[in-house]
Amino acid sequence: GQQVMQIPQYQHVQEGEDFTTYCNSSTTLSNIQWYKQRPGGHPVFLIQLVKSGEVKKQKRLTFQFGEAKKNSSLHITATQTTDVGTYFCAGPSNAGNMLTFGGGTRLMVKP
Amino acid sequence: DGGITQSPKYLFRKEGQNVTLSCEQNLNHDAMYWYRQDPGQGLRLIYYSQIVNDFQKGDIAEGYSVSREKKESFPLTVTSAQKNPTAFYLCASSIGGQGSYGYTFGSGTRLTVV
Repeated sequence: GQQVMQIPQYQHVQEGEDFTTYCNSSTTLSNIQWYKQRPGGHPVFLIQLVKSGEVKKQKRLTFQFGEAKKNSSLHITATQTTDVGTYFCAGPSNAGNMLTFGGGTRLMVKP
Repeated sequence: DGGITQSPKYLFRKEGQNVTLSCEQNLNHDAMYWYRQDPGQGLRLIYYSQIVNDFQKGDIAEGYSVSREKKESFPLTVTSAQKNPTAFYLCASSIGGQGSYGYTFGSGTRLTVV
């Protein structure tokens, strides 16, 4: 079945360092979505990418959708302690009318 | 203000007991979902519903049941058949099934077996 994989599973960074998480799908996706879950909280929708090669920015966050629409990345420039949390990617499932979530990347930031 | 409300926030269940988790949305979303999250883990789909009076099993439906009698409500029952129910349960909704414009999640229910 369809798989959505994220790497790394965990990442520790010093505050001010950059961070990148990668998302890879076993199938071509019509869109890719990213969510952030703060510790003890619930996932919150960040963004959706639709076009091949699309790049979107939200302040220090840069999201990319691969040319083949099978991979995506989230890059955070100059991390802050407020960036702490788990970042999930998700794409439409080919098994039903729903999203398939990646396993998430947990970001920890040392002040 | 529109959103999803899950209740209770914390729930304690005795062995052999059924418990029901509430999920209500006022976003006028057609689709609703239940996920289970274990500590440090990702999201696993329990059940989902695209329309009133219809729902489908997700990846880990055994030991759980749902109903969708109203568009706004999608309660989840954790039955005594679920042997390891301690987890964080998240309800979500979306306009369409494949989450166009994203899923909106509730704040979750933490279930503990005592």
